[in-house]
Amino acid sequence: KAGVTQTPRYLIKTRGQQVTLSCSPISGHRSVSWYQQTPGQGLQFLFEYFSETQRNKGNFPGRFSGRQFSNSRSEMNVSTLELGDSALYLCASSFDRARGNSYEQYFGPGTRLTVT
Amino acid sequence: QKEVEQNSGPLSVPEGAIASLNCTYSDRGSQSFFWYRQYSGKSPELIMSIYSNGDKEDGRFTAQLNKASQYVSLLIRDSQPSDSATYLCAVLTKASYDKVIFGPGTSLSVIP
Repeated sequence: KAGVTQTPRYLIKTRGQQVTLSCSPISGHRSVSWYQQTPGQGLQFLFEYFSETQRNKGNFPGRFSGRQFSNSRSEMNVSTLELGDSALYLCASSFDRARGNSYEQYFGPGTRLTVT
Repeated sequence: QKEVEQNSGPLSVPEGAIASLNCTYSDRGSQSFFWYRQYSGKSPELIMSIYSNGDKEDGRFTAQLNKASQYVSLLIRDSQPSDSATYLCAVLTKASYDKVIFGPGTSLSVIP
């Protein structure tokens, strides 16, 4: 079974631009979560999508948005990029979203975003 | 108080020793707990999940959960240099509307 894929793997953008990152979950997985990882803040939860609906979101500004398509693929967008947005953006998929039960997530390789 | 805390590390152990990684969490209603391993420059990889009090063993790894003490640990027996990585504790918290919250990680170095 193929793992989680993310594209692109590396991006360099300048302040003020916007960026779109893509994630394809493991086949059959319906839940996709996005995380930002930086050396100072660790892994921070951005949002989670399940069946094309945002189920949960973290404490990030509205410049960060996402969506999920009917095939469970997900995209996240960051508008008006700031230097502080430089980070590794990770996507994680899981089979289902049964609240209170198991929630094993499998991560993609990540997209390394550098904002200059 | 942070939602998920881990011993700050770095932790160094000799090859063949037992490495003990600790994690505490603040939400008493949490039910699901996970350990991930992250090699430098790579993404996190799920090692273990644990949902009930007690021990769960998988090869050289043992996860231990004590919900009363809000404590979860990971023991690595017969540590190998290839175990050198950052270990992340993750908790599915009810207080944060079923978000998975990650701890800051503990860096483990196994010395040959």
